[in-house]
Amino acid sequence: DGGITQSPKYLFRKEGQNVTLSCEQNLNHDAMYWYRQDPGQGLRLIYYSQIVNDFQKGDIAEGYSVSREKKESFPLTVTSAQKNPTAFYLCASSIQGAVETQYFGPGTRLLVL
Amino acid sequence: KNQVEQSPQSLIILEGKNCTLQCNYTVSPFSNLRWYKQDTGRGPVSLTIMTFSENTKSNGRYTATLDADTKQSSLHITASQLSDSASYICVVNPGNNRLAFGKGNQVVVIP
Repeated sequence: DGGITQSPKYLFRKEGQNVTLSCEQNLNHDAMYWYRQDPGQGLRLIYYSQIVNDFQKGDIAEGYSVSREKKESFPLTVTSAQKNPTAFYLCASSIQGAVETQYFGPGTRLLVL
Repeated sequence: KNQVEQSPQSLIILEGKNCTLQCNYTVSPFSNLRWYKQDTGRGPVSLTIMTFSENTKSNGRYTATLDADTKQSSLHITASQLSDSASYICVVNPGNNRLAFGKGNQVVVIP
């Protein structure tokens, strides 16, 4: 899991509730990423950030929001607008401009009650 | 259409046997290709990475091959162990800061 931590390991969400997933890295990487993983599917990019105070939508950004106020941190909020949030969420970081150097965190499993 | 196709989708092998996983991609241009191992409920961990000019790379009992002309890669596991039970993900980098992920090969090693 390198120097990336994600918390919590499991998270439960009630209908209509926003929840925030934490991602912290101590690898001194500029770029950070959030992916969603569903059974039988490849990883899908939600949001990514190449540098502090800047982030871009990925392929499935609807219903999610992020912030990048610190280099080490890239929290993901799953909003009530995300109608099917149950999934395994993976955070990753890399050297800026070298996406192939991505290291992944251990993941957070989000379940809807 | 997924740009990275992996086969077989799942595989059961006896402990001590060898197996080979396939990855075909249509991603273009091509910068590099990486194989990850993902244990259940954990994040992916890199096994190998290969650039256009490399056609084989090993990491212990794992050996990856790449044919950039036919856009095919394989991952060979030698003398499988129970701890090899995992999903193996092929990831292609087209060089535009966005990776293309395969769906993974699910390997189960039984004693």
